[in-house]
Amino acid sequence: TQLLEQSPQFLSIQEGENLTVYCNSSSVFSSLQWYRQEPGEGPVLLVTVVTGGEVKKLKRLTFQFGDARKDSSLHITAAQPGDTGLYLCAGAQTSYDKVIFGPGTSLSVIP
Amino acid sequence: EAQVTQNPRYLITVTGKKLTVTCSQNMNHEYMSWYRQDPGLGLRQIYYSMNVEVTDKGDVPEGYKVSRKEKRNFPLILESPSPNQTSLYFCASRLVRGTYYNEQFFGPGTRLTVL
Repeated sequence: TQLLEQSPQFLSIQEGENLTVYCNSSSVFSSLQWYRQEPGEGPVLLVTVVTGGEVKKLKRLTFQFGDARKDSSLHITAAQPGDTGLYLCAGAQTSYDKVIFGPGTSLSVIP
Repeated sequence: EAQVTQNPRYLITVTGKKLTVTCSQNMNHEYMSWYRQDPGLGLRQIYYSMNVEVTDKGDVPEGYKVSRKEKRNFPLILESPSPNQTSLYFCASRLVRGTYYNEQFFGPGTRLTVL
């Protein structure tokens, strides 16, 4: 059974701080995605990483895919209250495969 | 506007009373899926469909049924709901192509309470 683990489960930080959340698996994925979910809404895609070692930047967010394609990290620089939400990683082995979601990291950024 | 819609958004029902949650997408996506979200467990896939008349079980299909008679619609049916099906449900859709995983577009969610 493929599993994705995320850490930490909860994170509460002050505005302006930096943070990193992690997504780990014992399985290899051909692609891994990060979604953000705000209360009362469905998840929204932030990024897809597909190459081992790949780094993608989206403004203050930096995403990295591990060399072995089993893990990923999301780093947020100078967090803002608008970053508050549940961050989910999701992996798949092919486009036709089932998607595996991690349990999520709940981030709260305090003004 | 490209979107996935779900109805109802909120539903309180009693054990054993059949219900249907509708899902519709206007993006001509082949793939549609249902998930349930529970605290600490993340999103777990219930059923998915690769195209019209093609459905398959996800990780937690027990107690649920689906159908895909039209490309845009993918209803979730609970024939005899039980309290352990109290959860937040999401419908999602995406294109199917290539070898890379495409973005899933999620509906706004349906919060179901079974008493």
